[in-house]
Amino acid sequence: AQRVTQPEKLLSVFKGAPVELKCNYSYSGSPELFWYVQYSRQRLQLLLRHISRESIKGFTADLNKGETSFHLKKPFAQEEDSAMYYCALSGRSNTGKLIFGQGTTLQVKP
Amino acid sequence: GAGVSQSPRYKVAKRGQDVALRCDPISGHVSLFWYQQALGQGPEFLTYFQNEAQLDKSGLPSDRFFAERPEGSVSTLKIQRTQQEDSAVYLCASSLASQGLYEQYFGPGTRLTVT
Repeated sequence: AQRVTQPEKLLSVFKGAPVELKCNYSYSGSPELFWYVQYSRQRLQLLLRHISRESIKGFTADLNKGETSFHLKKPFAQEEDSAMYYCALSGRSNTGKLIFGQGTTLQVKP
Repeated sequence: GAGVSQSPRYKVAKRGQDVALRCDPISGHVSLFWYQQALGQGPEFLTYFQNEAQLDKSGLPSDRFFAERPEGSVSTLKIQRTQQEDSAVYLCASSLASQGLYEQYFGPGTRLTVT
């Protein structure tokens, strides 16, 4: 079965603390992994994808095929990082439809 | 430039009514997706178009759901005889081409409430 699991519904940290939002997946094939973010009153937007290996807004994510994980990390959280984060996957050979996790709300306290 | 737009932004329907939700993708985008997002959940795939062809409708929950994109641009998602379980945010996304490598750009969503 194709599935994305985000075990934490809410993650609350203080400003300046490290952040790790967990994502595990199950997929038979070669998936593309993404993190999407939704800030308050804004639309869902792409944060980063594993294939580009970029660091966006200080966030990074490494695909670990052995553990089937794609955790999102940032060394020092900022208040403006407070948002809903969704991990998602897509099959390389399919249409591009995304399978999303349930989402994790990140709350960064001052 | 203009992003993906959706209308209406909010829709309240009585149980049993038909509704039509519109999506205007980014101009030139080949791929168009519809997702359903129930409260507290992540978006779930409904259907996919490549230009005017509906290539995947595996996520449509019942035959009450119907989608079209007749000229390969604007798309409409229609729900017949709405039920309370249809209450959700309906998201439309478009991307430049097919395949999973291309970024999907999302619209603001239509929040449907069935009373």
